Amino acid sequence: KAGVTQTPRYLIKTRGQQVTLSCSPISGHRSVSWYQQTPGQGLQFLFEYFSETQRNKGNFPGRFSGRQFSNSRSEMNVSTLELGDSALYLCASSLSSGTYEQYFGPGTRLTVT
Amino acid sequence: GENVEQHPSTLSVQEGDSAVIKCTYSDSASNYFPWYKQELGKGPQLIIDIRSNVGEKKDQRIAVTLNKTAKHFSLHITETQPEDSAVYFCAAHDYKLSFGAGTTVTVRA
Repeated sequence: KAGVTQTPRYLIKTRGQQVTLSCSPISGHRSVSWYQQTPGQGLQFLFEYFSETQRNKGNFPGRFSGRQFSNSRSEMNVSTLELGDSALYLCASSLSSGTYEQYFGPGTRLTVT
Repeated sequence: GENVEQHPSTLSVQEGDSAVIKCTYSDSASNYFPWYKQELGKGPQLIIDIRSNVGEKKDQRIAVTLNKTAKHFSLHITETQPEDSAVYFCAAHDYKLSFGAGTTVTVRA
């Protein structure tokens, strides 16, 4: 069974631009969660989507948004990029929302200059 | 919200020795505790997990223990091998996963 895929793997953007990252979960998985990983803050939860609805949200500004499609694929968008948004963005898929095992993709490395 | 503390931040062990990583959590509502291994350039890999109704779980050389009363859980790796070198994260789930800061494990050959 194929794992979680994320595209693109690497991205360089300029301050003020916006970016869209994509995540395809494991086949049959319906929940997708997004995390930001930085050396200073570690792994932080952004939001979770299940059945095309945002179920939970972390403590990030409104510039961070996401959505989920009917095939469970998910995208996250960051608008008005800041230098501090440089990070590894990880998505994790699970069978359903709640205390189910979460499997991570390889991440998208975003660099903001 | 949930706060997870992880110790130590770095751990160096001789090949064949055991490694132990400890975590504490703050929210008594947390009921699921996974452990992840992250190698350079890769996403975290789920290696073992434990739920709040279980005190201990073992999978080959890896074991996890949970003490709900004390709100702490630990990862034990026995007979360490060079391929165990990685960053390990503990996490606690209330409505989301909250992660510890990570432990960099180095296994010396």
